[in-house]
Amino acid sequence: GNSVTQMEGPVTLSEEAFLTINCTYTATGYPSLFWYVQYPGEGLQLLLKATKADDKGSNKGFEATYRKETTSFHLEKGSVQVSDSAVYFCALGNFGNEKLTFGTGTRLTIIP
Amino acid sequence: DTAVSQTPKYLVTQMGNDKSIKCEQNLGHDTMYWYKQDSKKFLKIMFSYNNKELIINETVPNRFSPKSPDKAHLNLHINSLELGDSAVYFCASSQGEAPRRFFGPGTRLTVL
Repeated sequence: GNSVTQMEGPVTLSEEAFLTINCTYTATGYPSLFWYVQYPGEGLQLLLKATKADDKGSNKGFEATYRKETTSFHLEKGSVQVSDSAVYFCALGNFGNEKLTFGTGTRLTIIP
Repeated sequence: DTAVSQTPKYLVTQMGNDKSIKCEQNLGHDTMYWYKQDSKKFLKIMFSYNNKELIINETVPNRFSPKSPDKAHLNLHINSLELGDSAVYFCASSQGEAPRRFFGPGTRLTVL
């Protein structure tokens, strides 16, 4: 079955630091990959996605590349801000499969 | 315009009580879900409905009963509440076979 392994947190960085949150997966077929973000007190929002190998998803300065050879979808940002403090979830899902598999979430805190 | 809405946002109640959480989506999606998020932010699928028909029913105590009066609504009723039911409950929706989920803002349930 599908599974997602996500970098354990919490992660604390200084403002303007470089961010990487690792995500690897196991899956059958050709899943779509997602990063969701949950800001304090809110629901999950889609941050970015990629639907096939070598696709790069990007949004709000965040990027992640769908790497089939390493089964990874690492989240990166070149210069984080305090407003990026949130919990980040890696997820994967196949078309036609009702289940979306989430990682355990990584709490990110950015200090000024 | 709110895409996926839940009420109430906060629910504090005593052990043994029965309570309901309501969810509505105005996206025209045909599939709706309930997720439970524990204190460590781990997300677990509970139920999934497609066009008012139950699709996914994970290992959830039968004190939890979802009800979908129409495809825009999915309510969650919980009988005989226990301390361990304290969590944040998220409603979500999706369209067709696409794996992307649209999440509501969550309902924080506290059982005393």
